Amino acid sequence: AAGVIQSPRHLIKEKRETATLKCYPIPRHDTVYWYQQGPGQDPQFLISFYEKMQSDKGSIPDRFSAQQFSDYHSELNMSSLELGDSALYFCASSLRGSGELNQPQHFGDGTRLSIL
Amino acid sequence: AQSVTQLGSHVSVSEGALVLLRCNYSSSVPPYLFWYVQYPNQGLQLLLKYTTGATLVKGINGFEAEFKKSETSFHLTKPSAHMSDAAEYFCAVSPVSGGYNKLIFGAGTRLAVHP
Repeated sequence: AAGVIQSPRHLIKEKRETATLKCYPIPRHDTVYWYQQGPGQDPQFLISFYEKMQSDKGSIPDRFSAQQFSDYHSELNMSSLELGDSALYFCASSLRGSGELNQPQHFGDGTRLSIL
Repeated sequence: AQSVTQLGSHVSVSEGALVLLRCNYSSSVPPYLFWYVQYPNQGLQLLLKYTTGATLVKGINGFEAEFKKSETSFHLTKPSAHMSDAAEYFCAVSPVSGGYNKLIFGAGTRLAVHP
């Protein structure tokens, strides 16, 4: 079965540069979530979108922005990168549907961002 | 605010032994509960979830978990550990109200399985 696709898998940037991470949800999934996982830490929620509208916001820095496009893929844009932004960034998707609430989130393999 | 506590950042068991990973949540209203597994350099894979109904939930790979409201717990168990079970396990909650909400993760428990 198709899974959540994230690109790139690995990204190396220098301080103050910008980065764009992409996420392609499972087909027909309408909700996308972004999480940040620092080394040895649990994933922290950043932001989510439902039907191309922001639905929830977590601990996302002002230097980061995200959006969901008409084809439901999402991009996380990161500017003025700092050393502390080095982490694994996960995208997850789910289907809202009209049935059971809180359909489980399916995660991609993540983008490992390293800031030099 | 909701939170999740996983007791034991590292658990080590022998192959064939019982696996018990502990998870307690803090919430004024019982949330939805999940267990995810993460293998090195991979994403999180859903093991099982509890939303409503039967409090004993069976998941993939022989894992199961029991929701105990009185103890605010959702411990993960497996009768017999395999070497392939070695991974990081995360307990997570999601608030019931509003649905489709963010997951709040525990700090994770790294499971080691030795021969």
